[in-house]
Amino acid sequence: TQLLEQSPQFLSIQEGENLTVYCNSSSVFSSLQWYRQEPGEGPVLLVTVVTGGEVKKLKRLTFQFGDARKDSSLHITAAQPGDTGLYLCAGGMEYGNKLVFGAGTILRVKS
Amino acid sequence: EAQVTQNPRYLITVTGKKLTVTCSQNMNHEYMSWYRQDPGLGLRQIYYSMNVEVTDKGDVPEGYKVSRKEKRNFPLILESPSPNQTSLYFCASSLSGTGGNEQFFGPGTRLTVL
Repeated sequence: TQLLEQSPQFLSIQEGENLTVYCNSSSVFSSLQWYRQEPGEGPVLLVTVVTGGEVKKLKRLTFQFGDARKDSSLHITAAQPGDTGLYLCAGGMEYGNKLVFGAGTILRVKS
Repeated sequence: EAQVTQNPRYLITVTGKKLTVTCSQNMNHEYMSWYRQDPGLGLRQIYYSMNVEVTDKGDVPEGYKVSRKEKRNFPLILESPSPNQTSLYFCASSLSGTGGNEQFFGPGTRLTVL
């Protein structure tokens, strides 16, 4: 059982559509990060949120950390083919120095 | 250029033949860790190190060893590899701990154990 449940697992959409990826847990995290990974490469950080209720925007991407710091969402507006990739959420455990990852969401944006 | 390097990038080996995957970072980071990535399971942490000579188990440490003799290097050792260790491995480093710090990942090592 994943500590961080990420959904959906796969998403195939047309260019210009909006989408939301969810990351949920019953555990509280000190921080929540979103990474994007392309084939043959390691994940690259998109954003870090640390405060419950925090919202961060990165161009067409909007990230939100739940009030209780147990969940997060990534919303992409007007998706483009360049957004295609594997999106991973990662939670920093409140105690210790472990980072737990969700299973990832494979996004494909068709032109 | 700030980076995390791993070697080799690809490795095919046989059951029981000891191997080492090297990891090096040039950012003077204190925290380093190893992950394995498997389809449907995401990234799972194998071991991590808060600093030189300080290492601790992650979520899936069985069958692996690590050492941190120098700040920049964090090799992953498989003493007796088995087929269930076939996976994509990533080394990562960050300034200090996981509390909101960006993890910088290496390019990955694809390991196949026959």
